[in-house]
Amino acid sequence: KQEVTQIPAALSVPEGENLVLNCSFTDSAIYNLQWFRQDPGKGLTSLLLIQSSQREQTSGRLNASLDKSSGRSTLYIAASQPGDSATYLCAVNEGNKLVFGAGTILRVKS
Amino acid sequence: DAGVTQSPTHLIKTRGQQVTLRCSPKSGHDTVSWYQQALGQGPQFIFQYYEEEERQRGNFPDRFSGHQFPNYSSELNVNALLLGDSALYLCASGRSGNQPQHFGDGTRLSIL
Repeated sequence: KQEVTQIPAALSVPEGENLVLNCSFTDSAIYNLQWFRQDPGKGLTSLLLIQSSQREQTSGRLNASLDKSSGRSTLYIAASQPGDSATYLCAVNEGNKLVFGAGTILRVKS
Repeated sequence: DAGVTQSPTHLIKTRGQQVTLRCSPKSGHDTVSWYQQALGQGPQFIFQYYEEEERQRGNFPDRFSGHQFPNYSSELNVNALLLGDSALYLCASGRSGNQPQHFGDGTRLSIL
């Protein structure tokens, strides 16, 4: 059974810092991995999707990497801003379903 | 181009009642998946619909059922509601073939 773990569970940083969120999964038989952002009480916004054959994807200040063999992904956020405060979720695609971690709650202080 | 839309946004029910939640997928999408997100947890997969059939199901009891219509919209039905069913219910749509999933804003269900 696939299990997805995200570390840390919560993170508080001053504005302008670069930060890394970690995601690990137990079964490497995945199609892709997605990183999502969730604001309080809201739905999920897709940030980046990495196909299983890819090593990384970049969008603006965000960079996500994938090491399928070791079951790890990282989300790097450069020059963090207060507007980045949210919960960040990673999810692995096992075919017809996504398996999610519990998320990292990020707070960026101004 | 409208994204994934869900209705209602909030719902309050009592134990034992039944509820129906609705989802309209993003234009061009043909699969609809439903997820339950309890407070402080990641979403849990309930089931996915494709071509009006339930294609895959997660570890949820038969009290959870669904339907997909010819226009690809979908309903989630929950019978005999329990206090533990209180959660945010998320709908996601995509194109078949492991394409990116797009999520709606969810329905917040509270059971009293």
